[in-house]
Amino acid sequence: AAGVIQSPRHLIKEKRETATLKCYPIPRHDTVYWYQQGPGQDPQFLISFYEKMQSDKGSIPDRFSAQQFSDYHSELNMSSLELGDSALYFCASSLARWTNTGELFFGEGSRLTVL
Amino acid sequence: AQRVTQPEKLLSVFKGAPVELKCNYSYSGSPELFWYVQYSRQRLQLLLRHISRESIKGFTADLNKGETSFHLKKPFAQEEDSAMYYCALLANAGGTSYGKLTFGQGTILTVHP
Repeated sequence: AAGVIQSPRHLIKEKRETATLKCYPIPRHDTVYWYQQGPGQDPQFLISFYEKMQSDKGSIPDRFSAQQFSDYHSELNMSSLELGDSALYFCASSLARWTNTGELFFGEGSRLTVL
Repeated sequence: AQRVTQPEKLLSVFKGAPVELKCNYSYSGSPELFWYVQYSRQRLQLLLRHISRESIKGFTADLNKGETSFHLKKPFAQEEDSAMYYCALLANAGGTSYGKLTFGQGTILTVHP
């Protein structure tokens, strides 16, 4: 079965550079979530989209922006990268009407390293 | 604000022994709680949710509102249970928060042969 696909799997950037992460949800899923997991930390909710509109916002820095496109894929753009942005970035998807069941389908994550 | 606490970062048991992974939460409303699991080199996936009152792979978890706990239990651990386990809380259940889960810091369970 198709799963959530994230790209790239690994990314190395330098401070003050820009990075873009992509997420392709499971087909027919209309809701996408982004989580950030720092080393030894729990996943922290960043932002979510439902039907291409932002639906909820967590601890996402102003340097980050995200959007969901007409094909439901999402991109997380990170600018002016800092060392503390080094983390595993998870994308998850679900069907909104299932969302209150709490079942999110996660991708394998994109590991960003900022040097 | 909601918070999920998993006091044990590491838990090690022998095969066949009972296992309990602790989870406590703080939330002023009516929470929905979940256990997610991540096996080695696999993605994070839902193990079970409290509203289903189900047993998955022999695991059960009971929501205790008085103690604000949602401990995960299995009477006889198996080697294949070795994984990272996250307790997660969904606030505003039935409301407007679309899947905004608050995770605990995770417990690495190792089951020895």
